[in-house]
Amino acid sequence: SQQGEEDPQALSIQEGENATMNCSYKTSINNLQWYRQNSGRGLVHLILIRSNEREKHSGRLRVTLDTSKKSSSLLITASRAADTASYFCATDGANSKLTFGKGITLSVRP
Amino acid sequence: DAGITQSPRHKVTETGTPVTLRCHQTENHRYMYWYRQDPGHGLRLIHYSYGVKDTDKGEVSDGYSVSRSKTEDFLLTLESATSSQTSVYFCAISENGGLEGYTFGSGTRLTVV
Repeated sequence: SQQGEEDPQALSIQEGENATMNCSYKTSINNLQWYRQNSGRGLVHLILIRSNEREKHSGRLRVTLDTSKKSSSLLITASRAADTASYFCATDGANSKLTFGKGITLSVRP
Repeated sequence: DAGITQSPRHKVTETGTPVTLRCHQTENHRYMYWYRQDPGHGLRLIHYSYGVKDTDKGEVSDGYSVSRSKTEDFLLTLESATSSQTSVYFCAISENGGLEGYTFGSGTRLTVV
């Protein structure tokens, strides 16, 4: 069963706008990760935030984690058409396994 | 993707036949995983390995078996393929399990007719 659930399921924005995606999970975690998947390709790891961290940045990506609410958000600033992809959150569980959500489809219009 | 390759990339097979998918890594990572991706379900873990000859079941393991006789190779076998196993299969590797990001292969699209 999915541990993480992303919201919204689909997001369409104009190039240059910011995109915010949310992930909620159910049980305690050691870390939460975000991945991107371009059409027809494998997933690519974007960023990892540990349970004792509240915010992390990587280039145009900003991730926050609120363990009290069991939620995370991924912000992509100044979006580009190349950011069009599906985005997944994943949480670590027992025995070193990641559990993935169903994903968010982001469309960035030129 | 660098360091991890899946073969074949595409396969069509008939119901009832056995099928083996291969994942090969050159990173010498300890952990290897097989996931399937289906619309509306995201990625679901089939089996994983935490070392040579050390494997365990994931969330959707029924109808699948795995083997890892060498660090670099992780094989997924569909013992008797069914139409419900039509899916895209992804292999992933990691040195430290869920404590770090996974590296994914490009996937195998399997169609069972």
